[in-house]
Amino acid sequence: AQTVTQSQPEMSVQEAETVTLSCTYDTSESDYYLFWYKQPPSRQMILVIRQEAYKQQNATENRFSVNFQKAAKSFSLKISDSQLGDAAMYFCAYRSARDDKIIFGKGTRLHILP
Amino acid sequence: DTGVSQNPRHKITKRGQNVTFRCDPISEHNRLYWYRQTLGQGPEFLTYFQNEAQLEKSRLLSDRFSAERPKGSFSTLEIQRTEQGDSAMYLCASSLWGGAGANVLTFGAGSRLTVL
Repeated sequence: AQTVTQSQPEMSVQEAETVTLSCTYDTSESDYYLFWYKQPPSRQMILVIRQEAYKQQNATENRFSVNFQKAAKSFSLKISDSQLGDAAMYFCAYRSARDDKIIFGKGTRLHILP
Repeated sequence: DTGVSQNPRHKITKRGQNVTFRCDPISEHNRLYWYRQTLGQGPEFLTYFQNEAQLEKSRLLSDRFSAERPKGSFSTLEIQRTEQGDSAMYLCASSLWGGAGANVLTFGAGSRLTVL
């Protein structure tokens, strides 16, 4: 069975600095999708960034970028120029290409220090 | 478009009572998902629909849980004979399968259940 592991329950970063959130996953499949979702306090979960496993190029979305290492089954999220609004729970997630069930990690709570 | 709407936002009930949650997805989305999230955990998959057809159910979904999407639009999740272990946030999400934004779920704000 596929699993997603986020080894950092909490992290803190100074405003305007860069932070990297770690994620590893386990799968025997070659075709899949990876996601980072953000869940602000008492607000709904929103997609931050996604990566198709067949793409070698790392995805980027403005200040958010990923480091996708397929062989190592690693998918880290880098947030540049951190802003107060980035404070949230961040969930790494995996979806097989064979079905539509997304598996989430336990999350990393990110604090932004002013 | 107002996004994915869930009601009620918070439900407090006594053990043994039945509760029902409703989810209204984005109107053009054909897939609808239910997840459960407990404190300090990531969301856990419960079930999903393609239009009105329930395509998969997790083993987490015991026989006390039932979900429906009768006309392929809104969905309900009913929990019968609630137990304290059912206390959680129930998240609904929808997506457009086969469209340009496939694989991307839009989540609602969730319905928080507290079983006393």
